[in-house]
Amino acid sequence: AQSVTQLDSHVSVSEGTPVLLRCNYSSSYSPSLFWYVQHPNKGLQLLLKYTSAATLVKGINGFEAEFKKSETSFHLTKPSAHMSDAAEYFCVATSGTYKYIFGTGTRLKVLA
Amino acid sequence: SQTIHQWPATLVQPVGSPLSLECTVEGTSNPNLYWYRQAAGRGLQLLFYSVGIGQISSEVPQNLSASRPQDRQFILSSKKLLLSDSGFYLCAWSVPPLTGDFGPGTRLLVL
Repeated sequence: AQSVTQLDSHVSVSEGTPVLLRCNYSSSYSPSLFWYVQHPNKGLQLLLKYTSAATLVKGINGFEAEFKKSETSFHLTKPSAHMSDAAEYFCVATSGTYKYIFGTGTRLKVLA
Repeated sequence: SQTIHQWPATLVQPVGSPLSLECTVEGTSNPNLYWYRQAAGRGLQLLFYSVGIGQISSEVPQNLSASRPQDRQFILSSKKLLLSDSGFYLCAWSVPPLTGDFGPGTRLLVL
């Protein structure tokens, strides 16, 4: 069965330092992969998506993610954290029936 | 371009009351439609999905039901709400093999 694992439930970084949010997936075929961000009391906003084109995907707000098939990973990075980046981040994969499979989320805290 | 609408945005209901949340999609035909729930402090859980009018698949047993009376309309219902039904409900669409999007969500509080 397909699954998505977000390795850290909470990540804290200082403002201006790099961000790394880790995601691993399991799938018997090449999935489409996404990162969504959810700010408090808000809906989901798409940061970026991978759909079998370039393995390095650039998204909004300076985020990017690299698809590594050999490691079954799709980690989200940003060179320099901003206070406004504090939110919950979800790694998502699509299944064979195109259902969205969610990771459990990583809550990012940015320290001043 | 495609857009997805959900309403209401926020809802406070007493235990035992009925529920009806609506989701509509514009700008696409024959989409797959989904209802997800996010309980407080937890990830998103798929509740129902539909690949066509009148076709509903349930992922988890619960006191909720879903219906798809029209191609681009997806409704989540309950006859009697439970406290445990509180949460954030998200509708989503997709058109395989293309990707889709999520609606803005409905925050439901059952008291």
